Amino acid sequence: DAGVTQSPTHLIKTRGQHVTLRCSPISGHKSVSWYQQVLGQGPQFIFQYYEKEERGRGNFPDRFSARQFPNYSSELNVNALLLGDSALYLCASSLTPFGTTPYEQYFGPGTRLTVT
Amino acid sequence: GNSVTQMEGPVTLSEEAFLTINCTYTATGYPSLFWYVQYPGEGLQLLLKATKADDKGSNKGFEATYRKETTSFHLEKGSVQVSDSAVYFCALFFGNEKLTFGTGTRLTIIP
Repeated sequence: DAGVTQSPTHLIKTRGQHVTLRCSPISGHKSVSWYQQVLGQGPQFIFQYYEKEERGRGNFPDRFSARQFPNYSSELNVNALLLGDSALYLCASSLTPFGTTPYEQYFGPGTRLTVT
Repeated sequence: GNSVTQMEGPVTLSEEAFLTINCTYTATGYPSLFWYVQYPGEGLQLLLKATKADDKGSNKGFEATYRKETTSFHLEKGSVQVSDSAVYFCALFFGNEKLTFGTGTRLTIIP
């Protein structure tokens, strides 16, 4: 079975530009979460979507937005890119959203974003 | 809020050495606890988990026991291999809160 897939693998953008990252969850998983992992740090939660609705949002500015499609794939959009947005962006899928037990998230390989 | 504190790295060991990576947590209740591993250039893989006190999670020779009295979930392996070189993240999940990660511990195994 295919795991979580993300595209693109790597991306280089210039300050002020916009970027769209894509994620396809494991088949049958209805929840997608996005994380930002800055070099040398643990992943930081950005968003969670379940059944196309936002179920959680981390402490990130409004420049960050996301959506989930009817096939449960998801996009993360970042506007007005800053140098500090350079990071590995991880997508994770799960059968159920936060608040359920047991709960497991499965991560994709990530998209490496470099802002110059 | 919830938080995870991990042993700072990097940790360098010789092959077949015993490994311990410390992890302690702060949470208002009894969270589920996880260890994730990140190999170079890859995303995170779930290594093991425990959902209640005294549970022991195990996988690929790694073990961790959920200790509520010490709020700890230390990762151990009896004999490490070069292929275990990676970054290890301790994480917790509680209630409706997000998955919260520690800062990670980089492990290097020398042949």
